Amino acid sequence: QQQVKQSPQSLIVQKGGISIINCAYENTAFDYFPWYQQFPGKGPALLIAIRPDVSEKKEGRFTISFNKSAKQFSLHIMDSQPGDSATYFCAASMNFNKFYFGSGTKLNVKP
Amino acid sequence: DAGVTQSPTHLIKTRGQQVTLRCSPKSGHDTVSWYQQALGQGPQFIFQYYEEEERQRGNFPDRFSGHQFPNYSSELNVNALLLGDSALYLCASSWSGVVTEAFFGQGTRLTVV
Repeated sequence: QQQVKQSPQSLIVQKGGISIINCAYENTAFDYFPWYQQFPGKGPALLIAIRPDVSEKKEGRFTISFNKSAKQFSLHIMDSQPGDSATYFCAASMNFNKFYFGSGTKLNVKP
Repeated sequence: DAGVTQSPTHLIKTRGQQVTLRCSPKSGHDTVSWYQQALGQGPQFIFQYYEEEERQRGNFPDRFSGHQFPNYSSELNVNALLLGDSALYLCASSWSGVVTEAFFGQGTRLTVV
């Protein structure tokens, strides 16, 4: 049973465009929703995270939108750059214990 | 701050052998979690250590065991290696106090042949 479902599996965006990655979760006890960025051969790096008491969080070009009633959250990357090309994972956890990760989205930003 | 460091970075083992992976948490962190990331997939939780004890465990067989030392560093041991154990093994550290995020190391790439 997959606790966090992520889509799309891959995404191609032109430089300057908006990249949107979506995730859905089942367990309403989750209280922390981070997004991680991973480059080949590296560990995941925390990009941005949100708690369920807010509907949106923005940090620079990265925005999380959170819909508690729909049990969905998404990552928006504005003005996407070739350096953003990486694999992105959404995750969810309860009380900062184990993280449940999505299956990942491979983003390719074309120059 | 060195962040989370893992060793070795790469490892090749033969089926049936045993392997030990090591992790030093970020300075100030006291909780260490281990994840297995198969190629093209998201990380899967193995277990978490706090105060030198296993606090939580994912759906992994007993062949996977761990340890946390008084300095908060940790080891992951895998016995009787299978080809399917080939993966990137990630260590994440966090602080047990006020809400904080988890930081991942660069991982150990284990190949079982």
